[in-house]
Amino acid sequence: SAVISQKPSRDICQRGTSLTIQCQVDSQVTMMFWYRQQPGQSLTLIATANQGSEATYESGFVIDKFPISRPNLTFSTLTVSNMSPEDSSIYLCSVEAVGGADTQYFGPGTRLTVL
Amino acid sequence: KQEVTQIPAALSVPEGENLVLNCSFTDSAIYNLQWFRQDPGKGLTSLLLIQSSQREQTSGRLNASLDKSSGRSTLYIAASQPGDSATYLCAVSRTGRRALTFGSGTRLQVQP
Repeated sequence: SAVISQKPSRDICQRGTSLTIQCQVDSQVTMMFWYRQQPGQSLTLIATANQGSEATYESGFVIDKFPISRPNLTFSTLTVSNMSPEDSSIYLCSVEAVGGADTQYFGPGTRLTVL
Repeated sequence: KQEVTQIPAALSVPEGENLVLNCSFTDSAIYNLQWFRQDPGKGLTSLLLIQSSQREQTSGRLNASLDKSSGRSTLYIAASQPGDSATYLCAVSRTGRRALTFGSGTRLQVQP
């Protein structure tokens, strides 16, 4: 299995500001993903974080709004830029571990509230 | 585009009952299917993963089945307990795209 930590666990931000969320894994992983869970909704994939190259974004999500970095095999960041109240969600990092039999593991999430 | 549906959306049962949660998906070309549990305000806990070549997986009181040709999976929970109260999410991936597509979840309440 993989143990994933996210920072911050929660934050309250003002409209128009940006927040960077960190995801740290305790072992090297092949795949890292970022998901969003809006209030009362299920999870939606934002992007796949690719090590050493640009992230692959899903339809409806763009790099200018959600820039992602993945400098190595155990760490990634997601920035929520120029925030509006509609960005209030839980943001979750997930990984597919090497030798993990394809199981995906999720971080505890970052609960973001935008005022 | 893959779509995943879970029925029922919510379920309330007395303690001790056996229950079945349903998941259906529109594209049968899946790589695997995973069942998760989410407690309020928490992240996701993986319960069971079924590869596309498998028919079922078991862990303790949980049994998940997969019928890929009909696009269906069920999660069977035996002898339910109040601690089983949570939202249960079904998610699928496909070959070449390992990110998960999630269903909307079933919110389970087990009454003591």
